Amino acid sequence: DAGITQSPRHKVTETGTPVTLRCHQTENHRYMYWYRQDPGHGLRLIHYSYGVKDTDKGEVSDGYSVSRSKTEDFLLTLESATSSQTSVYFCAINGDRGSSYEQYFGPGTRLTVT
Amino acid sequence: ILNVEQSPQSLHVQEGDSTNFTCSFPSSNFYALHWYRWETAKSPEALFVMTLNGDEKKKGRISATLNTKEGYSYLYIKGSQPEDSATYLCAAIYNQGGKLIFGQGTELSVKP
Repeated sequence: DAGITQSPRHKVTETGTPVTLRCHQTENHRYMYWYRQDPGHGLRLIHYSYGVKDTDKGEVSDGYSVSRSKTEDFLLTLESATSSQTSVYFCAINGDRGSSYEQYFGPGTRLTVT
Repeated sequence: ILNVEQSPQSLHVQEGDSTNFTCSFPSSNFYALHWYRWETAKSPEALFVMTLNGDEKKKGRISATLNTKEGYSYLYIKGSQPEDSATYLCAAIYNQGGKLIFGQGTELSVKP
C-alpha cells in the first residue's frame, strides 16, 4: 500500500461547472501524476508534478489545471467541465529517484459530465 | 510526438497456454521501460522496470526482456491461468524525465 487516496471516488457534474479532484499521499514522494483512462487509449498523462509548486503538462492537458501547494496533495481542476472529460482519473506517485522506479496508482475517480 | 505501440490489442487463450506480447517504442533518448498489470475495476500494478539493453526480469510465471537498440520489449506468460486475465500496459520514459508514455495495452483473457 503506497498510501495514495483520491477524492471523490465518484462524481456526476453538469457541463460548464468547475470540478476539483484531489490526490493525497502519505509517503512524502516527490513525483505525482494525473492520468485519464479512456477505451482504446490506455492511460494518458494529463499533468505531473516534480515538487511543490513544480508542475508540467502531459499529452492531454487542455482543459485541465493542477496545483501542488504541499508535498502530500496534488489537485486536478477542470475549469469548465465538458462531456469529453467524462472518464476515470488516476493519480500516481513515484519514489524520489524518479522514473527508474515503478509508479503506484490511486484507486481512481470516476467522473461523469452530463 | 512519441508513440508507444503494443500488440496484439487483445488475446484470448486457454488455461495452460503460454503467451507473449510486444511493446514497441522509439529508441532515441530512451531511459526506462515499465510494465504494468491492470485488472478490471482495479488500479494498475507494476510488474517490471527495465533500463538496460538486454535486461531480463522474471516474477513467477511472468518474464520480460528489453532491446533498447531496436526499441522493443516482450512480456511472456508461461502456462497462463484465469487469474492472469487483465490488461498489460507498457510505458516508456525518455531523457530521464518524469513522464511515462503508455501504450494502449494488451487485453488478455484466459479461459479455464
